Amino acid sequence: DIVMSQSPSSLAVSVGEKVTMSCKSSQSLLYSSNQKNYLAWYQQKPGQSPKLLIYWASTRESGVPDRFTGSGSGTDFTLTISSVKAEDLAVYYCQQYYSYPWTFGGGTKLEIK
Amino acid sequence: QVQLQQPGAELVKPGASVKMSCKASGYTFTSYWMHWVKQRPGQGLEWIGVIDPSDSYTSYNQKFKGKATLTVDTSSSTAYMQLSSLTSEDSAVYYCTRGGRAMDYWGQGTSVTVSS
Repeated sequence: DIVMSQSPSSLAVSVGEKVTMSCKSSQSLLYSSNQKNYLAWYQQKPGQSPKLLIYWASTRESGVPDRFTGSGSGTDFTLTISSVKAEDLAVYYCQQYYSYPWTFGGGTKLEIK
Repeated sequence: QVQLQQPGAELVKPGASVKMSCKASGYTFTSYWMHWVKQRPGQGLEWIGVIDPSDSYTSYNQKFKGKATLTVDTSSSTAYMQLSSLTSEDSAVYYCTRGGRAMDYWGQGTSVTVSS
């Protein structure tokens, strides 16, 4: 199984600050035939279902604000929120869909100061 | 619009089984695989398995083989997951989620409580 590791496990920031969180996979998620990274990011707000933010490591889902940016390739990935809003309070999960079983990272909990 | 409707809660006794539903609407049911994900209280997300509604092909996380069984009813655009021999470790929220762009649409989840 591919192991997904996220850091930090939690962070607290002020509104307007830039946030960066990391996701690492135990093996490459880059599929050579199409040069796509099979990595997604989800946001789960308290009491809600997860919501897809980013797929193919850097493609923003429709309707997701452009302050959310995914980057990285191979085994190292990053989710950046350029200017945090209070509504971004949530747990963020990365997930690989390169091979079964699909696996998630442990999550990064974003708190607002 | 795409919707995945799940019942809110199930209370079941230890050792029993439960079959939960996920009714899809707003898209062609047989065109997208359906995944199931487990989330224990205060914990992360765990992939259970996936079913292709067009032919009922399934793939399971080894951890859930023998525990979860995925089926579909294409006439009603509904996916089902049955969990057997329930214990307290199975108390969790279970989500169905469409396999489009990664997992692009999620149900509201069914909260399963295993208690006597």
